[in-house]
Amino acid sequence: QVQLVESGGGVVQPGRSLRLSCEASGFSFSNYAMYWVRQAPGKGLEWVSLILYDGGSEFYADSVKGRFTISRDNSKNTLYLLMNNLGPEDTAMYFCARDSRRYCTSIDCQGLDIWGQGTKVSVSS
Amino acid sequence: SYVLTQPPSVSVAPGQTATITCGGDNIGTKNVHWYQQKSGQAPVLVVYDDRDRPSGIPERFSGSNSGNTATLTISRVEAGDEADYHCQVWDVRSDHWVFGGGTKLTVL
Repeated sequence: QVQLVESGGGVVQPGRSLRLSCEASGFSFSNYAMYWVRQAPGKGLEWVSLILYDGGSEFYADSVKGRFTISRDNSKNTLYLLMNNLGPEDTAMYFCARDSRRYCTSIDCQGLDIWGQGTKVSVSS
Repeated sequence: SYVLTQPPSVSVAPGQTATITCGGDNIGTKNVHWYQQKSGQAPVLVVYDDRDRPSGIPERFSGSNSGNTATLTISRVEAGDEADYHCQVWDVRSDHWVFGGGTKLTVL
């Protein structure tokens, strides 16, 4: 079935790095834009990053730009998020998600229809 | 940066209609997507492009968008509809996706 499974979360000290992975199955991964969205404890959803279906364009929230890098390996059906210089404000559940429209190009993307269950990141000394 | 404003909470009795708003500057010119998130679970897309429903979402869920307010309407509310609801848009000026702060729907 259509599925996204995140991994790589954990407890990390401030200033350190972490790489999250999201393995996709049950659909043509290379046809869809992919997202990372996070949710701090007790808070709302925060969009983190978007990468288009072919990896040709990436977009970042201001809060992570310059520290986080999104990438994808379409041959492995896997999405990544490399997080550098982590701070306490990055503590959250991180979800990967798929856009509902094939080949969308940002402005015509149509909402996130498939979500993983999330991987928890805690930044603490 | 573009800001979406949602009421923190909405309460409704079973069988009644719940209305959840999402305010933003000229939001009527944007496509709005809505998500339902039950406690401890990942979000679920319930309305996309203002008013369309993904397959499997009941017709009780509907959306509208005009002027400075988008609205998610849930008719004949059931206990199972109790959840947080989040609106989302793409802001062309900043090339950013933006979420509203979320609204907690309580079924009395």
